[in-house]
Amino acid sequence: AQSVTQLDSQVPVFEEAPVELRCNYSSSVSVYLFWYVQYPNQGLQLLLKYLSGSTLVKGINGFEAEFNKSQTSFHLRKPSVHISDTAEYFCAVLRYGGATNKLIFGTGTLLAVQP
Amino acid sequence: GAGVSQSPSNKVTEKGKDVELRCDPISGHTALYWYRQRLGQGLEFLIYFQGNSAPDKSGLPSDRFSAERTGESVSTLTIQRTQQEDSAVYLCASSRNSERGYGYTFGSGTRLTVV
Repeated sequence: AQSVTQLDSQVPVFEEAPVELRCNYSSSVSVYLFWYVQYPNQGLQLLLKYLSGSTLVKGINGFEAEFNKSQTSFHLRKPSVHISDTAEYFCAVLRYGGATNKLIFGTGTLLAVQP
Repeated sequence: GAGVSQSPSNKVTEKGKDVELRCDPISGHTALYWYRQRLGQGLEFLIYFQGNSAPDKSGLPSDRFSAERTGESVSTLTIQRTQQEDSAVYLCASSRNSERGYGYTFGSGTRLTVV
């Protein structure tokens, strides 16, 4: 079975500081990896995804993530955060090649940007 | 339509009553998913529909929960004899099966409150 672990439930950071949100996954088969963002009182929005190719993936709003197969990680980074980045961030894993392709989510990390 | 539409956006119901939640997926999306998000928690997979295949119901928490979808159209999630622990945001997402690695589009959810 596959699972997704987001070790940090909340990450406080000052505006213009860099941030890294951690995500580790476990799966015995090949996977696609995603990061979604949920702004307060809104639905989920796709931030970026890794399907294949370059392990460094760039997404919207200046975010990027690096796929590390040996460490089974897909950490999300931004070099300089803004107040508007305050939101819940979810890492998700999709196993491909199987009978179903359901997306499994981590428990989320609340990014709280302070002035 | 342009996005995934869910109705109602908010629902308050008395304990023991049945509720029906609706999801209109993006036209042409053969895959449809229901997730539950309890307050302060991650997304919990409930059920997955893919075209005319048998749905993956492995995430339904009890036999009080059921979902229907006819073809590639609207889906309804029904909760019978609601309990207070059913209070959550119920999210629907759709995806094109031929692009199973391309992420899902989420609706804004139905916030269910059982009093």
